[in-house]
Amino acid sequence: DIVMTQSPDSLAVSLGDRATINCKSSQSVLYTSNNKNYLTWYQQKSGQPPKLLIYWASTRESGVPDRFSGSGSGTDFTLTISGLQAEDVAIYYCQQYYTTPITFGQGTRLEVK
Amino acid sequence: QVQLVQSGAELKKPGASVKVSCKASGYTFTTYGISWMRQAPGQGLEWMGWVSTHNGDTKYAQKFLGRVTLTTDSSTGTVYMELTYLRSDDTAVYYCARAHSSSWYIFESWGQGTLVTVSS
Repeated sequence: DIVMTQSPDSLAVSLGDRATINCKSSQSVLYTSNNKNYLTWYQQKSGQPPKLLIYWASTRESGVPDRFSGSGSGTDFTLTISGLQAEDVAIYYCQQYYTTPITFGQGTRLEVK
Repeated sequence: QVQLVQSGAELKKPGASVKVSCKASGYTFTTYGISWMRQAPGQGLEWMGWVSTHNGDTKYAQKFLGRVTLTTDSSTGTVYMELTYLRSDDTAVYYCARAHSSSWYIFESWGQGTLVTVSS
């Protein structure tokens, strides 16, 4: 199974500042035949199901604010939230879909400092 | 708009089975597959399996092989997840999620979740 490891486990960022969450996979999730990274990011607010933010490592889902961006390739990925807003308080998960079983990172809890 | 509505909370005894439903609306049911995930209290997300709403094909995580069954009913637009031989560590919120148009395993829309509690 591909193990997804996120860092940090939690972070506190001031409103308006940048938040950076990292995700590392135990093997590459880059499919060389189409040059796509099979990596998504989700946001889960308290008591709610996850919400898709980013797929193919850097494609923003429709309706997701452009302060959310994804980057990285191969085994190392980053979710950046530029200009943190109060409604961004949540747990963020990365997920690989390169192969089954589909696996998620352990989550990163984002709070306002 | 796309909606996935799951059945209500369940309380089960160890050794029993549970069947959770996920009713889809707002799109053509047979176009997108459905996956099931679960989330134990205070824990992360765990993928259980996927079912094709087109032909009923399934793919299960090894961990759940032999205990989980995913089925579909096209006449009602509903997907079912049955988990047998329940243990206390099966206590979790169970989610269904619809595939994205780009990939079977990008989860675009999620149900509200169903809490399954296993306790004697």
